[in-house]
Amino acid sequence: GEDVEQSLFLSVREGDSSVINCTYTDSSSTYLYWYKQEPGAGLQLLTYIFSNMDMKQDQRLTVLLNKKDKHLSLRIADTQTGDSAIYFCAEVPGSSNTGKLIFGQGTTLQVKP
Amino acid sequence: DTGVSQNPRHKITKRGQNVTFRCDPISEHNRLYWYRQTLGQGPEFLTYFQNEAQLEKSRLLSDRFSAERPKGSFSTLEIQRTEQGDSAMYLCASSLATLPSGPRDTQYFGPGTRLTVL
Repeated sequence: GEDVEQSLFLSVREGDSSVINCTYTDSSSTYLYWYKQEPGAGLQLLTYIFSNMDMKQDQRLTVLLNKKDKHLSLRIADTQTGDSAIYFCAEVPGSSNTGKLIFGQGTTLQVKP
Repeated sequence: DTGVSQNPRHKITKRGQNVTFRCDPISEHNRLYWYRQTLGQGPEFLTYFQNEAQLEKSRLLSDRFSAERPKGSFSTLEIQRTEQGDSAMYLCASSLATLPSGPRDTQYFGPGTRLTVL
């Protein structure tokens, strides 16, 4: 089946690192994404990772993929108040020919000054 | 701005009325998706177009919903006889498939249309 799960809420202090976790069930997923959503807005693509990679770094963002455990994480270094938002992980099921995304329910990140 | 645009941004309607939303994808993107997002949830896939062909529909897309993409450019999503349960954010995304087949493309989302059914 296709299911993606995330913890619902994370609170950190400004300047700390944030780690948002995600688990998925489709072992044939080949592409996994992280999107950010600010209140009342659409989704902004942050980064993505291919299943043949273990890690991807992009400025303050680090994505770690443990394919054996079907676990994905997003680390935000030096978290800022502007990072406060909802973060969604999403997968493209291996069975899909259309590229449709299966999303988790989102993790609300609260950054305290 | 060359991103995905959606109109209207907000729509308030009474139960039983018909509504239509429009999505303008990024120019030359051949794939277009509609998703629905309810409060506190992640987006859920509704339907997919490759150029003008509607190639996949979710079981969430009841017979009151219809989507079109004439000429493979903009798309419309119509909901007939709206119900309170249709209240949600409707998101459109587009992508450029770089391979003949397979999902190896990245979707870019519009700002969404928020529907409220009274």
